[in-house]
Amino acid sequence: ETGVTQTPRHLVMGMTNKKSLKCEQHLGHNAMYWYKQSAKKPLELMFVYSLEERVENNSVPSRFSPECPNSSHLFLHLHTLQPEDSALYLCASSQELAGELGEQFFGPGTRLTVL
Amino acid sequence: RKEVEQDPGPFNVPEGATVAFNCTYSNSASQSFFWYRQDCRKEPKLLMSVYSSGNEDGRFTAQLNRASQYISLLIRDSKLSDSATYLCVVKRDSGYSTLTFGKGTMLLVSP
Repeated sequence: ETGVTQTPRHLVMGMTNKKSLKCEQHLGHNAMYWYKQSAKKPLELMFVYSLEERVENNSVPSRFSPECPNSSHLFLHLHTLQPEDSALYLCASSQELAGELGEQFFGPGTRLTVL
Repeated sequence: RKEVEQDPGPFNVPEGATVAFNCTYSNSASQSFFWYRQDCRKEPKLLMSVYSSGNEDGRFTAQLNRASQYISLLIRDSKLSDSATYLCVVKRDSGYSTLTFGKGTMLLVSP
């Protein structure tokens, strides 16, 4: 069973709401990721944190705000989202060594619907 | 050209069939290659890495052709439990943001 958990598993929100997605990894990894998976599109990397510092931000709109308080937890804060932001949001973790990616382990995802 | 392109699906095959998935990548600097499996409404999981010499894991065989920038996955003796979407994943070079996923090819194995 996966060592990466995500809550909530499903979320429906209006465009004016503010919500947060939570990810926790129990694998002792030092890097965590947020991905977006939309219907009929490939997974898109949104954010990467290594040793709790953001090292990559793939031009994600500012209405998505990540937070990594420690190596085991990752949040994605959402505000004033658009309907096109409806997607499956996947968290992943891996062990980085000298900048090299280890295998990424994914959480079950949060299925987000923006009305 | 998309960075990673896969066969459009779905592939519908009977149990016991052999099925092959193809994937092409556009960036010749790509260094590492993987096949992930994603079950319906579940997260992706690493199925196998793809090595230059080709590699086999039970009923699964992965091959890489760097000259043609082409990766394949062969599944022999398909089982019902093989039904899933298979994602081709390419890593360009050292670094964090370099895992690029294909859209995936869905496989449906029927009795």
